[in-house]
Amino acid sequence: DQQVKQNSPSLSVQEGRISILNCDYTNSMFDYFLWYKKYPAEGPTFLISISSIKDKNEDGRFTVFLNKSAKHLSLHIVPSQPGDSAVYFCAASASDNNNDMRFGAGTRLTVKP
Amino acid sequence: DAGVTQSPTHLIKTRGQQVTLRCSPKSGHDTVSWYQQALGQGPQFIFQYYEEEERQRGNFPDRFSGHQFPNYSSELNVNALLLGDSALYLCASSLVRQFGQYFGPGTRLTVT
Repeated sequence: DQQVKQNSPSLSVQEGRISILNCDYTNSMFDYFLWYKKYPAEGPTFLISISSIKDKNEDGRFTVFLNKSAKHLSLHIVPSQPGDSAVYFCAASASDNNNDMRFGAGTRLTVKP
Repeated sequence: DAGVTQSPTHLIKTRGQQVTLRCSPKSGHDTVSWYQQALGQGPQFIFQYYEEEERQRGNFPDRFSGHQFPNYSSELNVNALLLGDSALYLCASSLVRQFGQYFGPGTRLTVT
């Protein structure tokens, strides 16, 4: 069962423009969401998170938006840089069960100079 | 401060064999989770260990077992390997009841 979905396997943007990565979830028990970034030959690195009591969280160039009614979240990167090129995973968990994070399949972002 | 380390980096095994993968958590962390990442997929939760016991398990058969040692390091064992077990195995560490896991670089297992 795919409870977290990232429907775009890849995204290509020009340096300096905005990158928007999307994620949908089906389990209404999820109330904590995370984005991870993964470079080749490395493990995923935590990027930014948001809990369901918020609809936006910002950290530098990275902003995550949460739309609970639509069960949708997005990661905005502004401005995009070539070093942002990586695979981005969306993950979700329930606060009463933070042992079990569910991941999406990932979106490969390519930022062109 | 060493992050999460895993060994070996790569491993090739034959169908039916058994394999053991190892993980050392980030300094100060007491909880270790294991994930399987098949090609083109996101990580899938296998199980989590805390205080040397399995706290929770994902949808994986009993062929997958684990262990946590008093120093918080952990092993993942897979018996009777199948071709479908070929994947990147990721270890992540954290503090119990806190969100945010730190991942190791993974062990790439190939079953032939």
